[in-house]
Formats: sequence, structure tokens, C-alpha cells
Amino acid sequence: GAVVSQHPSRVICKSGTSVKIECRSLDFQATTMFWYRQFPKKSLMLMATSNEGSKATYEQGVEKDKFLINHASLTLSTLTVTSAHPEDSSFYICSARDIRDLQDEQFFGPGTRLTVL
Amino acid sequence: DAKTTQPPSMDCAEGRAANLPCNHSTISGNEYVYWYRQIHSQGPQYIIHGLKNNETNEMASLIITEDRKSSTLILPHATLRDTAVYYCIVRVILSGGSNYKLTFGKGTLLTVNP
Repeated sequence: GAVVSQHPSRVICKSGTSVKIECRSLDFQATTMFWYRQFPKKSLMLMATSNEGSKATYEQGVEKDKFLINHASLTLSTLTVTSAHPEDSSFYICSARDIRDLQDEQFFGPGTRLTVL
Repeated sequence: DAKTTQPPSMDCAEGRAANLPCNHSTISGNEYVYWYRQIHSQGPQYIIHGLKNNETNEMASLIITEDRKSSTLILPHATLRDTAVYYCIVRVILSGGSNYKLTFGKGTLLTVNP
């Protein structure tokens, strides 16, 4: 099956710094990648949809200037949390969509645990 | 996409079948039923999906009622590693590359006990 990786798996940073999370589709080309956030004991919440070569579409209430998304290639999307604060501490998960998949599945990465001190 | 309703939690004995229900009474004719699961601190994993017919794969079976207003995911022989949150999602499969969203509800926490 299709594999999606994320890097890093865990990151701890100081308040006010920026953190970049990478999402890669390893064995397929992903025209679309999705970024989700999950707080403890809560469900996944979609943050933004990222199409290769174009600007990301953000969900209502998600600050695009704080969560910068870049999808420059068919295998890589990055999420940068700028000026991170403790309330940004969360589990960030990406998913990727395989353009060759007739069922049009989303394949999820393993997630990145962000802790802001 | 249609909303789904699932019980917040269920228990199952190891080796027994786990039957996880999902209500989707407002499902429309072109919406599929998808099941994902999320093991603690991991990304969601696709399990199975179906439109109107029952489906089976190596992981599970999906039983969809004739009126399509509810479905049941069956794990035939649950193991401890099946302990996870199970999400039932309904969505349209679009052609032509249009974007779609997966809306995750709260899911069902299945705990498989030894």
C-alpha cells in the first residue's frame, strides 16, 4: 500500500520559535496533501488542503500566517508553525491523495508530536 | 458529507468478534461508507469501505443495511492490537480530481481485553 512519512516524529521547541514538519509520499505522487491537528482525547480536525504548485486552502479558524504550508513537489508538503506557543502543542498528521488511485484514497502519515515549552 | 453517529466506547474479548455500529441516516445515494482506525499516537489507518453491498477484506467485514442508513464493521477475531479508535465516515467519491474532505467524528474506542 501507499506509504506516507512525516519528519520529525517528535519535536520540542521553545515558545516563539518556528517549527517545520515534513510530509512525504514515498511510493506515489500526491497531487493533494491534507494537514490535520489532533488535541489529546479529541478527534482529527482538518487544518488545510494543499495542492501541488498552488496555495493551500485553510479551514475556517486556522490562521494561514501562523501555519505556513508549502507543497512544492508531488511528493513533499511542509507545515511550518511560526512563532509557536504552548497552545500550539498538538499531534499534527498529514495525509496524501494518490492521483492514480481510482478509489481516490487518502493515506495518512504517522503524525508529529509538537510540544512547545 | 453526511454525519455519522457511533457509540463512544465498546469492549470485546480477545479472540471474539467485534461488531462496531455506525448510523448514517442522512447518507445520500452517491456517498460511500468508510472505516478508519487510529491506534494511540499513530496516524489513521484505512480499514474498508463500501457503497451498498457488503464488503470483506483481510482486516474486516463491512455490513451495510439495505436502506444504507447504518452499517456495522466486523473484526472477526479481535486481538489486543485491534484496540484503537474506529471512525466511520461517509463521503462522495468524486471523479475528475476534485478535492474532498474527510470529516472525522469522535469515533468508537474499542478496547480488546485479554
